[in-house]
Amino acid sequence: DGGITQSPKYLFRKEGQNVTLSCEQNLNHDAMYWYRQDPGQGLRLIYYSQIVNDFQKGDIAEGYSVSREKKESFPLTVTSAQKNPTAFYLCASSILGGRGNSNQPQHFGDGTRLSIL
Amino acid sequence: RKEVEQDPGPFNVPEGATVAFNCTYSNSASQSFFWYRQDCRKEPKLLMSVYSSGNEDGRFTAQLNRASQYISLLIRDSKLSDSATYLCVVILIKAAGNKLTFGGGTRVLVKP
Repeated sequence: DGGITQSPKYLFRKEGQNVTLSCEQNLNHDAMYWYRQDPGQGLRLIYYSQIVNDFQKGDIAEGYSVSREKKESFPLTVTSAQKNPTAFYLCASSILGGRGNSNQPQHFGDGTRLSIL
Repeated sequence: RKEVEQDPGPFNVPEGATVAFNCTYSNSASQSFFWYRQDCRKEPKLLMSVYSSGNEDGRFTAQLNRASQYISLLIRDSKLSDSATYLCVVILIKAAGNKLTFGGGTRVLVKP
């Protein structure tokens, strides 16, 4: 079955610790995205990537880092610089539209809930 | 003004009734629109795209009003299973890279 797999489902971070959230897709999608969702709020874009070895900051990139070494994988690291990391993190992917624009619907993984210990 | 706005609700709907709600967007150049459904503590799932001429998928109808800059979602014959948060997505196509913005969601509660 094609889809997006996020792991782990739940993650706890100690103060000063970096943690990495995994996102893998076998949909052959070029574009991948990371979002953060806080309780009762909409999704906010952290980082996105339209091609291997390239990625761009979203609206709230501070305190996060990503890599895109393979088309299938887009891990997100929540660094110790992110002072309020508790949230629901969602990874998504999409095909690219015409002229390489991402105007296609996104498909989401089932998320990772990150909390501070 | 937020780029994409939704009434957070909740919209309390009797089972079998019709409910409709809107999503307004601020940039008139926005080109692609979608509705997603999100269940509590789950990921958003694509419900339907929104086409210029309006489109229907079973009990769900999506409309786009470019003049007034909003999209709408109408649910007919509401089922208990329609209870969820409905998120709109607006995509602005730009040469420097598209901008995709989610609304904050509208919560719908269908009650017996």
